[in-house]
Amino acid sequence: QKEVEQNSGPLSVPEGAIASLNCTYSDRGSQSFFWYRQYSGKSPELIMFIYSNGDKEDGRFTAQLNKASQYVSLLIRDSQPSDSATYLCAVMNTGNQFYFGTGTSLTVIP
Amino acid sequence: DVKVTQSSRYLVKRTGEKVFLECVQDMDHENMFWYRQDPGLGLRLIYFSYDVKMKEKGDIPEGYSVSREKKERFSLILESASTNQTSMYLCASSSPAGTVYNEQFFGPGTRLTVL
Repeated sequence: QKEVEQNSGPLSVPEGAIASLNCTYSDRGSQSFFWYRQYSGKSPELIMFIYSNGDKEDGRFTAQLNKASQYVSLLIRDSQPSDSATYLCAVMNTGNQFYFGTGTSLTVIP
Repeated sequence: DVKVTQSSRYLVKRTGEKVFLECVQDMDHENMFWYRQDPGLGLRLIYFSYDVKMKEKGDIPEGYSVSREKKERFSLILESASTNQTSMYLCASSSPAGTVYNEQFFGPGTRLTVL
């Protein structure tokens, strides 16, 4: 079983819609959760992190964490073509090891 | 701003050559990491280091070695490059586990082609 799993997509949404990206993790004791965005040919950049159960909002982005279900998600409201990228979920587990999912490719259609 | 730099953006080498990839960070981070990224496989950890002169194997260390002589610099060495090491190589750094903000910051990447 992989430490972090994501649906590879591709996920396509129309401009202005909500994009929903999902991630599950295997280590129940994991404490830190991160979402990175990676444009084609570029390196990953951090867009959100979350440590506590519930929602965390930052502009158009909302991270949601449910530790009981071992599930973390990223919602992008009012999606823009510039949001088209691969989104990587990352988890730091109880052994302080950092694991990345393989990423979900998002395309926002104008 | 955290800055992680890598010595080259693009590199072309021949099979059997020794290849050095260098990474420098300016945030006084203890932790540094080397990943390779291939389509469909995601980021795979090659080596990491928690301190100067310290190194730990990641998931795919075979064919690679590393060096960390100074806190800000972490080098990845391909002793004898092979075509299956053609990939995007990404360096990252972070503050220690247990600190509040321990996300990894990435360099721009080096796209290595081995012919």
